[in-house]
Amino acid sequence: KNEVEQSPQNLTAQEGEFITINCSYSVGISALHWLQQHPGGGIVSLFMLSSGKKKHGRLIATINIQEKHSSLHITASHPRDSAVYICAVWFNNDMRFGAGTRLTVKP
Amino acid sequence: GAVVSQHPSRVICKSGTSVKIECRSLDFQATTMFWYRQFPKQSLMLMATSNEGSKATYEQGVEKDKFLINHASLTLSTLTVTSAHPEDSSFYICSASEAAGNTIYFGEGSWLTVV
Repeated sequence: KNEVEQSPQNLTAQEGEFITINCSYSVGISALHWLQQHPGGGIVSLFMLSSGKKKHGRLIATINIQEKHSSLHITASHPRDSAVYICAVWFNNDMRFGAGTRLTVKP
Repeated sequence: GAVVSQHPSRVICKSGTSVKIECRSLDFQATTMFWYRQFPKQSLMLMATSNEGSKATYEQGVEKDKFLINHASLTLSTLTVTSAHPEDSSFYICSASEAAGNTIYFGEGSWLTVV
């Protein structure tokens, strides 16, 4: 069993829809990252969370430490949001990654 | 904001040769750097974690004699793929952090093609 589980694996949405990507983990963590990878490979860290909720523009990330669960939400999705979203956790001075969610937003 | 620079972005090498990829943190001291490999349409696979001044810690299944990692300074780590084979062709990415648990910053990645 992977230490970090992400769902869904693939997600197709229409422009404007509200998107939710989920991440569950099975280990004690010190922080969780949501990463975005565009076609071509470049990776950007969207959020780093250790508790609560963060918001940046149309993106919202939440984490529930007790339930070992985090969600990434995208409001008013746009085709430029199409990318792979990866959940990554810090634990024991190491990092573990979810398998990623491939999001396609259609105009 | 902090920037991590990776070089080269693309490299083609002949089978049997070695190739070095550099990862530099441009405006912060990176005590910890990570190297990843990514196959098409798959998630990142952590290869090794390197802390400045000490030997890298390799993930299970990663050959440390084939993928040499050096983290000799707080701003530079290198990955050398030795005796490269076509199956080593992949996308290699580094990331850096000031300390475990801190924000991580990713390099732009390096596409390696072994012919």
